Formats: sequence, C-alpha cells, structure tokens
Amino acid sequence: EAQVTQNPRYLITVTGKKLTVTCSQNMNHEYMSWYRQDPGLGLRQIYYSMNVEVTDKGDVPEGYKVSRKEKRNFPLILESPSPNQTSLYFCASRGLNTEAFFGQGTRLTVV
Amino acid sequence: AQSVTQLDSQVPVFEEAPVELRCNYSSSVSVYLFWYVQYPNQGLQLLLKYLSGSTLVKGINGFEAEFNKSQTSFHLRKPSVHISDTAEYFCAVSAWGSNYKLTFGKGTLLTVNP
Repeated sequence: EAQVTQNPRYLITVTGKKLTVTCSQNMNHEYMSWYRQDPGLGLRQIYYSMNVEVTDKGDVPEGYKVSRKEKRNFPLILESPSPNQTSLYFCASRGLNTEAFFGQGTRLTVV
Repeated sequence: AQSVTQLDSQVPVFEEAPVELRCNYSSSVSVYLFWYVQYPNQGLQLLLKYLSGSTLVKGINGFEAEFNKSQTSFHLRKPSVHISDTAEYFCAVSAWGSNYKLTFGKGTLLTVNP
C-alpha cells in the first residue's frame, strides 16, 4: 500500500529541547516536503527536497532543519523549539505531475 | 509564482442540499489543480485532480469540479451533501513541468447540518 508514515503522531515538549519528526515514503518519490497547518492559514511549506542531498527552503523555514540522506526518508528537525512552533505538521511526497500523498500528521505542542 | 484563493472560509449547509466551494488560482504557466479533504483529526486525502483533458473532473464521494481556464477557477460541487461530508476542504495548484511545488489555499470548512 502506498503510504507516507510520520512519527510521532503527538508530541509535547519544552522550549529548547531538540526534537526530530520522522517521515518515510514507500513510493520511490523524488520530491518530499514538510508543511505546517495553522488555523486560518492553511498549509504552509517549511522545506522541500527534490532528491537525495538536495533540500531547499519553503515559505516558512525559520527554526527548522531537514536532511535527505536516503530517498525514502525526510526528517524534520527542530533544534531549539519555541512555543510559536506549536502546530500540526504534515509530511508529503510526490512524483512528477501527480498528486501529493500526505502522512497522518504530527501534532506538536511546545510549552 | 502561483497562488490559490478559497473565497469562503466557512460554508454551512443543510443535509441533502447542494454545495459549491469556490477556488481561484493565479499562475504564469499552465497548472495542475487538486482538491483535498481533511476530516477531523485526520490527514489530507485527495478528493479529485485535474491534470489535463476534460475540464469536468469527478472525484470520490460524489464530488466533482470544473476547470475554467478563462476564469482561473476550479470550483468544487456536490449535488446533495451528507452529514459525513463535514470536513475542511483545500484547493491546491501546481505548475506544469519540473516544478513540484504545491501551493494550498487557506481552506474552507464545510459544515453539514441535519
């Protein structure tokens, strides 16, 4: 079954404590991206990757890092989380000229 | 650059009534268009997509959308809604060619009342 798997689904952490949200896809897609969803703002792209070792900033990259060492994995790293990064996060993968497939989301709360 | 405007942030309707969720886009090149649905506490699920060909696209759960190039619109319609259609709906656009970027609208919350 084609899927994008994110972990964890829920996370509560404290300000400044580094965390990683994992994302893995099994469709051999080249393109992967991270979005955050906030009420009234829709989905905004944080970072994306066109292929292994190729990453670039999206619309709201401040405070986030990513890496793409393998085609299937695209982790999102928050080196020093702050309360304004409390949000619902989605990982997505996409082939050329097709729709994007989304993970189930990670609800992050930073206190 | 591409952008998407969803004209209604909330649409309340009664069960079995028709509904239209409006979406307009802006792009300097030809586009692919998508509608996604997000049920409460779930991820995003593809409802339908326009890649090429017929401008009337049919999707899951009885939804359809029509691509109108001259009006740069891609409105979503359903002739008779159910309580279970209550969800948030997102319109998204992607430019043709090698650009993978998918740009989303801010979403429309459809609430179906009995």
